[in-house]
Amino acid sequence: KNEVEQSPQNLTAQEGEFITINCSYSVGISALHWLQQHPGGGIVSLFMLSSGKKKHGRLIATINIQEKHSSLHITASHPRDSAVYICASGGSNYKLTFGKGTLLTVNP
Amino acid sequence: NAGVTQTPKFRVLKTGQSMTLLCAQDMNHEYMYWYRQDPGMGLRLIHYSVGEGTTAKGEVPDGYNVSRLKKQNFLLGLESAAPSQTSVYFCASSYSPPLGIYNEQFFGPGTRLTVL
Repeated sequence: KNEVEQSPQNLTAQEGEFITINCSYSVGISALHWLQQHPGGGIVSLFMLSSGKKKHGRLIATINIQEKHSSLHITASHPRDSAVYICASGGSNYKLTFGKGTLLTVNP
Repeated sequence: NAGVTQTPKFRVLKTGQSMTLLCAQDMNHEYMYWYRQDPGMGLRLIHYSVGEGTTAKGEVPDGYNVSRLKKQNFLLGLESAAPSQTSVYFCASSYSPPLGIYNEQFFGPGTRLTVL
């Protein structure tokens, strides 16, 4: 059974800080997803990657397949980045396994 | 495009009552999913569908039924609601399974259900 672990569970930062959220999974996967859940509850997909690194604006996602580990980085964090960040792994079926999420609070 | 919509947004039920949650998507996606989200737990898959007329069980299917009579709609039914089904329910859709090229999942806004 694939398990997805995220760390930290909660993270508080000051505006402008560099932020890293980690995700580890237990079995081999085909794709790793990073999602953002806003305080209002809506969920949006940020990244989907199977190797290397992807960048979108101030967000960077990396994955190390051998170590079964992925990181989400936020550069120059802003209060509007405050949200729950969720990683999810996709294996050899149609289903995703989700982590419990990391609650990020960025203070002005 | 509206994307993925869910109705209702909120609902309060008494134990034993039944209800249906409706999910609709206008992106012509083949795959649709129902998840529940509970405090301290990750999203868990209830049921999913890989195309019109098909459904399959996910991780936590007990107490729920689904139907996909039309490609754009995916219905989640609770025949006899229980307090353990108090949760936030999310519907999602995607072009292809999570393995494929176009495998981003698009989520609806969620339905907050309370069973008393």
